[in-house]
Amino acid sequence: DTAVSQTPKYLVTQMGNDKSIKCEQNLGHDTMYWYKQDSKKFLKIMFSYNNKELIINETVPNRFSPKSPDKAHLNLHINSLELGDSAVYFCASSRTGGGTNEKLFFGSGTQLSVL
Amino acid sequence: GENVEQHPSTLSVQEGDSAVIKCTYSDSASNYFPWYKQELGKGPQLIIDIRSNVGEKKDQRIAVTLNKTAKHFSLHITETQPEDSAVYFCAAIPGSLTNYKLSFGAGTTVTVRA
Repeated sequence: DTAVSQTPKYLVTQMGNDKSIKCEQNLGHDTMYWYKQDSKKFLKIMFSYNNKELIINETVPNRFSPKSPDKAHLNLHINSLELGDSAVYFCASSRTGGGTNEKLFFGSGTQLSVL
Repeated sequence: GENVEQHPSTLSVQEGDSAVIKCTYSDSASNYFPWYKQELGKGPQLIIDIRSNVGEKKDQRIAVTLNKTAKHFSLHITETQPEDSAVYFCAAIPGSLTNYKLSFGAGTTVTVRA
């Protein structure tokens, strides 16, 4: 079983569209994250949820809206997609999110291409 | 916030040789330093980590060293094999934050030549 699974793996869409990426973890972890990886491979955190509560909200356009219906799921909805949103988006989870030595488990990524 | 710098950005080594990746961090209160490996088409995966109360840690062909005074830490891969080819990321967690907010380096693309 895949520990952190996200769908879709590839997403190609036109500018201005609205799209969602879904993420689920079956590890029983309390904390989930969204990371963005740009074309230069740089990894930057976007959001973090702990037990459905938003705890990290980086400087991200408000076109990006995360939603956590339960602690095993964290979805990312993006409105009015722009060319600059093209990137690979990774979902991740960790056991509690409060410690300083916790392992992050990443999904396999969603490659978003905005045309 | 924490600023992690990583170099080199690319590294090509002959199979069997060693590879070394170096990182520096800015926040002297940082106390946890993981290394992640990202293979093509996959998400990053933790390969080794070190806490600030330890100077060196080994796991088979992989070792990490930490110099708190100089605020730098390094990843050493010995006897490299083709499957070591990947992007490697160092990271640090700022000591002043209670939430888990890793700061990643920019990554090093390692290519092992057969």
